[in-house]
Amino acid sequence: EAGVTQFPSHSVIEKGQTVTLRCDPISGHDNLYWYRRVMGKEIKFLLHFVKESKQDESGMPNNRFLAERTGGTYSTLKVQPAELEDSGVYFCASSQEQGYYEQYFGPGTRLTVT
Amino acid sequence: LAKTTQPISMDSYEGQEVNITCSHNNIATNDYITWYQQFPSQGPRFIIQGYKTKVTNEVASLFIPADRKSSTLSLPRVSLSDTAVYYCLVGEGNTGFQKLVFGTGTRLLVSP
Repeated sequence: EAGVTQFPSHSVIEKGQTVTLRCDPISGHDNLYWYRRVMGKEIKFLLHFVKESKQDESGMPNNRFLAERTGGTYSTLKVQPAELEDSGVYFCASSQEQGYYEQYFGPGTRLTVT
Repeated sequence: LAKTTQPISMDSYEGQEVNITCSHNNIATNDYITWYQQFPSQGPRFIIQGYKTKVTNEVASLFIPADRKSSTLSLPRVSLSDTAVYYCLVGEGNTGFQKLVFGTGTRLLVSP
């Protein structure tokens, strides 16, 4: 069974540019989550999809971040315009069960804003 | 959300048993205790989850005392490949509360 995949693995962009990160969850997983770790900080929750609906987006830092999950399959996270403080590792995770059960994480996308 | 406290780092040698203790004094009745492991350049990976007493799987054991204010992750006979960061998380289960709250974790270094 394929795990959670993320693309790209690494992205380097200039301040003010736009970047779109993609996450493909494990097939059949209705729950999809985005997290990120900025330099020196802890991994922080961004948002949670159940199928194509946003269940919880309380962790989204500001309106420069837009997450979508059309059709309830893969998800994209767009940062526009990117700022220096957006640099970090963005993780996607998926799970099958409702509740506080195991989440399967992807390898992450390392975003560097210069 | 129950806040967790765990040691920043631990050192061990191959073949030893490693016990990492996590403190969660404000744990709520509905909270479960979950441990994740993270290797460099990878996402966190679920290890074990428990509510009370003892849970064991092929990777680790989780000991939870009766008051549930702390828990101990036990890794038997560690190898070099167990070098990783270990996170203790506490959160409500079964009701749809889903965001994982990560702390600083414990960085375990296993030496030959």
